[in-house]
Amino acid sequence: KNQVEQSPQSLIILEGKNCTLQCNYTVSPFSNLRWYKQDTGRGPVSLTIMTFSENTKSNGRYTATLDADTKQSSLHITASQLSDSASYICVVRASYAGNNRKLIWGLGTSLAVNP
Amino acid sequence: DSGVTQTPKHLITATGQRVTLRCSPRSGDLSVYWYQQSLDQGLQFLIQYYNGEERAKGNILERFSAQQFPDLHSELNLSSLELGDSALYFCASSVVGGDTGELFFGEGSRLTVL
Repeated sequence: KNQVEQSPQSLIILEGKNCTLQCNYTVSPFSNLRWYKQDTGRGPVSLTIMTFSENTKSNGRYTATLDADTKQSSLHITASQLSDSASYICVVRASYAGNNRKLIWGLGTSLAVNP
Repeated sequence: DSGVTQTPKHLITATGQRVTLRCSPRSGDLSVYWYQQSLDQGLQFLIQYYNGEERAKGNILERFSAQQFPDLHSELNLSSLELGDSALYFCASSVVGGDTGELFFGEGSRLTVL
């Protein structure tokens, strides 16, 4: 069964600290993996996309990694800011046709950055 | 601003009623997706349309229906509403027909069923 699991479920850190969010997936065949940021009550916004051949990709203070062999991805946030408080969602796309659920969404990690 | 417009932003109604949520995708996007997000829950995929045709169906209840019109805007109809239907309903759009591209989400329509 195609699944995306994220950990931790929630996380509280102090402003300025770093943190790493995890995403494990069992989706096969794998096409790509996206990390979205969702502010409370708002729609998700894409942070980065990882394809099979990519190991690391940065977007400002956000760095995503992908290990396609172990089917794991991480999102590292450096020098956190109050505005980083949000839910971070991992979404994996399966590449096979004919399936009604090509995008498999994780439940997200809720991050709170405190001053 | 993602370019995806959803109306209404907030809606309060009673059980048993019917409501219609509207979505205008980004200019040029042919695909429209509908998602439901209950309180403190993940996003649940409901249905996808591509250029007026249903492309994929997720966990959409029989009481719910949707369509995409020739001008590409979409409507999600929710009928015989129950308390458990209270949620944020998001519309998203993407350029291509499949799930290859980035989804651009609207601000959502918050439905409260009393």
